[in-house]
Amino acid sequence: AQSVTQPDIHITVSEGASLELRCNYSYGATPYLFWYVQSPGQGLQLLLKYFSGDTLVQGIKGFEAEFKRSQSSFNLRKPSVHWSDAAEYFCAVVGETSGSRLTFGEGTQLTVNP
Amino acid sequence: ETGVTQSPTHLIKTRGQQVTLRCSSQSGHNTVSWYQQALGQGPQFIFQYYREEENGRGNFPPRFSGLQFPNYSSELNVNALELDDSALYLCASTKGQLTDTQYFGPGTRLTVL
Repeated sequence: AQSVTQPDIHITVSEGASLELRCNYSYGATPYLFWYVQSPGQGLQLLLKYFSGDTLVQGIKGFEAEFKRSQSSFNLRKPSVHWSDAAEYFCAVVGETSGSRLTFGEGTQLTVNP
Repeated sequence: ETGVTQSPTHLIKTRGQQVTLRCSSQSGHNTVSWYQQALGQGPQFIFQYYREEENGRGNFPPRFSGLQFPNYSSELNVNALELDDSALYLCASTKGQLTDTQYFGPGTRLTVL
């Protein structure tokens, strides 16, 4: 069965600092990977996705993520964090044998200090 | 705005009652998935509907059931509510292909007392 691990429950960064959120997945075949963001009281918004090709994918709001098959990782990065980036971030995986059901990690709560 | 709407926004029920949550999918989408998000956790897949048929189910008991209508809107029904059913219920719509993005609604917050 597929699974996703987000090792960091809570991360605090200063505004303007760089950010990296970690995501590790477990899946036997080629995974399709996603990062979603959730602001308080709101649904999930897709930041970016990886299906194939270039392992460095660009998303909205200045986010990028790199797929590393050898490490089973799909870490999310942003060079300079803005206060409005404070939210919860979820990594998710879909597998070819699971239909389009998303398996999510537990999430990382991001706090941005002024 | 994803074009996916859910109603109601909030709901309070007592143990043993039944509840129906509704979801209108984005235009052109024929597949709707439902997820349960307990406080402090990631969303958990409940089931998916494709062209009015259930197309996959997660590890949820049969008292969780659903429907999809010809216009591709959907309902989630939960019978015999338990305290642990308190959660944010999210629906997501997609065109149905594995690589298509799932667009999420804002969710329904269910509280069971």
